[in-house]
Amino acid sequence: GAGVSQSPSNKVTEKGKDVELRCDPISGHTALYWYRQSLGQGLEFLIYFQGNSAPDKSGLPSDRFSAERTGGSVSTLTIQRTQQEDSAVYLCASSSRLTSYNEQFFGPGTRLTVL
Amino acid sequence: DQQVKQNSPSLSVQEGRISILNCDYTNSMFDYFLWYKKYPAEGPTFLISISSIKDKNEDGRFTVFLNKSAKHLSLHIVPSQPGDSAVYFCAASAPVLDTGNQFYFGTGTSLTVIP
Repeated sequence: GAGVSQSPSNKVTEKGKDVELRCDPISGHTALYWYRQSLGQGLEFLIYFQGNSAPDKSGLPSDRFSAERTGGSVSTLTIQRTQQEDSAVYLCASSSRLTSYNEQFFGPGTRLTVL
Repeated sequence: DQQVKQNSPSLSVQEGRISILNCDYTNSMFDYFLWYKKYPAEGPTFLISISSIKDKNEDGRFTVFLNKSAKHLSLHIVPSQPGDSAVYFCAASAPVLDTGNQFYFGTGTSLTVIP
């Protein structure tokens, strides 16, 4: 079966533009997580979904960041009016009740560069 | 505020020797701990985990030790192999029943195994 996929793998954008990052979780995984890793930093939690709802949005760094998930599957992370400090690798992960949500499966990430 | 800390950003070990990667946490509510391994341009992959009811979990060459009183865990790799060279992330969670867990990640330790 397919793992978690993310697109695009790389995105270069100009400061002030909006970007959309996509995550396709493993089929059947109800929990979905977004993280980002800035240069020299650890994985920073952004948001997680259980089904289509997001019980925890505490990690979103500003109101320029938003995420949605439809049909309990694909999720998009949108960054409006991008800033240079948004440059990072954005990672998506999913997990399943079958493993008590204890193991997350990560996608390869989207490397975002804001010029 | 970093709830999971990996104070050594890098570690170099000779092939065949033991690698010891350390992790400290601050939240006493954490009850599940994981180690992930990450190669460049790939997402992290699950390596090994431990529940707070245990103090040791072993899987082949990998052993994780948990010292709850010290809020410290470590990953031992023995014998170390060049293919183990990667960034290792420690993660911890305090589960919310049935709604998925939020995971807190450390900043990672880059392990280099020298042939």
